Amino acid sequence: AAGVIQSPRHLIKEKRETATLKCYPIPRHDTVYWYQQGPGQDPQFLISFYEKMQSDKGSIPDRFSAQQFSDYHSELNMSSLELGDSALYFCASSLASGRADTDTQYFGPGTRLTVL
Amino acid sequence: AQTVTQSQPEMSVQEAETVTLSCTYDTSESNYYLFWYKQPPSRQMILVIRQEAYKQQNATENRFSVNFQKAAKSFSLKISDSQLGDTAMYFCAFMKRMDSNYQLIWGAGTKLIIKP
Repeated sequence: AAGVIQSPRHLIKEKRETATLKCYPIPRHDTVYWYQQGPGQDPQFLISFYEKMQSDKGSIPDRFSAQQFSDYHSELNMSSLELGDSALYFCASSLASGRADTDTQYFGPGTRLTVL
Repeated sequence: AQTVTQSQPEMSVQEAETVTLSCTYDTSESNYYLFWYKQPPSRQMILVIRQEAYKQQNATENRFSVNFQKAAKSFSLKISDSQLGDTAMYFCAFMKRMDSNYQLIWGAGTKLIIKP
């Protein structure tokens, strides 16, 4: 079965640079979630989109923005990168239906961002 | 506010043994969903099992089963016949309903080591 695709898998950037992370949800999934996970931590929710509209916002810095496109893929744009932004960034997707079996979030492999 | 507590930071067992990971949560909602995700050294986030609170029957997926005690707000994961590949960080998560989708509330995780 098709899974969530994230690209790139690894990214190295310098401080103050910008980065764009991409997420391709499971086919027919209409909801995308972004998480940030530091070493030894649980995932921190950043932002989510449902049907191309922002649906919920978590602890996303103002330097970050995201959007969901007409084909349901999503991009997380990160500017003025700081050392503390080094983390694993997950995208997850689900099909909004009000039922746990379809609203279950399935995660991509993550993008490991290193800021030097 | 919903919270999820995993009181065992790390556990280790011998291969083929049975191990139980504990999770408690706090919520005032009556219907909700609970999940266990595993994160092996590859750091991929993998869904292990899910439980809907209105279902009294405990969920089972092959060697993985849960003991869901709604009144006690307890949701433990039992792994039978543990295998080396079960070595991972295990996260318990509560799915909270938002306006248009769901948000996962995570526990801090339990690091499980299966010894040969």
